[in-house]
Amino acid sequence: DIQMTQSPSSLSASVGDRVTITCRASQSISNHLNWYQQKSGKAPNLLIYAGYSLQNGVPSRFSGSGSGTDFTLTITSLQPEDFATYFCQQNSSMPFTFGPGTTVDIK
Amino acid sequence: QVQLVESGGGVVQPGRSLRLSCAASGFTFSSYAMHWVRRAPGKGLEWVSFISYDGTNKYSADSVKGRFTISRDNSKNTLHLQMNSLRPEDTAVYYCARGAGFGGGWHDYWGQGTLVTVSS
Repeated sequence: DIQMTQSPSSLSASVGDRVTITCRASQSISNHLNWYQQKSGKAPNLLIYAGYSLQNGVPSRFSGSGSGTDFTLTITSLQPEDFATYFCQQNSSMPFTFGPGTTVDIK
Repeated sequence: QVQLVESGGGVVQPGRSLRLSCAASGFTFSSYAMHWVRRAPGKGLEWVSFISYDGTNKYSADSVKGRFTISRDNSKNTLHLQMNSLRPEDTAVYYCARGAGFGGGWHDYWGQGTLVTVSS
């Protein structure tokens, strides 16, 4: 199985900050990497699919990059509604494993 | 609009069974792969099971293989997860999610989740 790691596990940031979250796969997954946001008590929400494609309706301050084993989710100007937990997921091969998550909270 | 509504969660004793359902509407259910994903208290998301659009291909995580069975009824726009031999570590919120893209590899719509608690 492909193992996914994320760093950091948590971070504190202020509104307006630029935030970067890193995801690493245990083997090459090409661009088969997705990012989700989950707020407390809510279902996850797809942000980015296939490495860098922005899901419909997701603000353009979110972006994804990377290929192979190393990927990045960037939020260019953090907004109050962005405080949440972010998960990466590989869909290169079954099982479609998730990373452990990165919690973004208010500094 | 796309809607996924899970049901069937509850409190169950270890070793017992439970069947979750997910009612889909607002899209052509029979054209999409579907998944179950769970999140245990204090833990991250865990992908659980996949079924292809026509039900011919299925795959489950090792943690549930041999105990959980995914199925679908395209005539009723419904997805199921039969959970047998439940363990305390199966306690989680279970989400059904639509599979999008080639191979249904990402989840563009999710249900609100149903809580399963395995406890004596």
